[in-house]
Amino acid sequence: NAGVTQTPKFRILKIGQSMTLQCAQDMNHNYMYWYRQDPGMGLKLIYYSVGAGITDKGEVPNGYNVSRSTTEDFPLRLELAAPSQTSVYFCASVTPPYEQYFGPGTRLTVT
Amino acid sequence: AQKVTQAQTEISVVEKEDVTLDCVYETRDTTYYLFWYKQPPSGELVFLIRRNSFDEQNEISGRYSWNFQKSTSSFNFTITASQVVDSAVYFCALSDPFSGAGSYQLTFGKGTKLSVIP
Repeated sequence: NAGVTQTPKFRILKIGQSMTLQCAQDMNHNYMYWYRQDPGMGLKLIYYSVGAGITDKGEVPNGYNVSRSTTEDFPLRLELAAPSQTSVYFCASVTPPYEQYFGPGTRLTVT
Repeated sequence: AQKVTQAQTEISVVEKEDVTLDCVYETRDTTYYLFWYKQPPSGELVFLIRRNSFDEQNEISGRYSWNFQKSTSSFNFTITASQVVDSAVYFCALSDPFSGAGSYQLTFGKGTKLSVIP
């Protein structure tokens, strides 16, 4: 079991560029989440998915898009990157009601 | 709405001192789960403990102990005889999956940065 994997680990983007953060899990979890962690802050929910084909916004969805075509994968798309999106991004999946599995994070810098 | 407050932004202690990290939460639900995570300088999130709202027993695990009090909506974390390896950011988090949103996301506090000085 690899658990929750995220790629890349680090990335530097220029303002206006786009990229996709990859997240995959091999535990057959329906529930998956994207969080962002700004410096000195806790994690905030960007988007979540309750199963393939079903996604919904979290607390801070602006500037991001997601899709969930398979149970395993939950990519996060940044269109037109802005400096405010400089953050560490964590993907997570859940065995309901409480077993949470976090990926190692992706550190993104937008300059 | 759910909310988690960690009022202590940063704490410094000398090695071998005891330290308590405070966590206060808000939820309207009667069934919920509370968590503590450790984030070392390397950046990953390390799960420490989970408590459900029906289990107010305090827990001790080695040098770590947790005090859950529903009456004050608090879930405090104590490290006894702190060590340099305890230096990290500690997050308290809340999940109230039966709130009607139909999901299991966590609401995090802002974290407490603990520095243990040798």
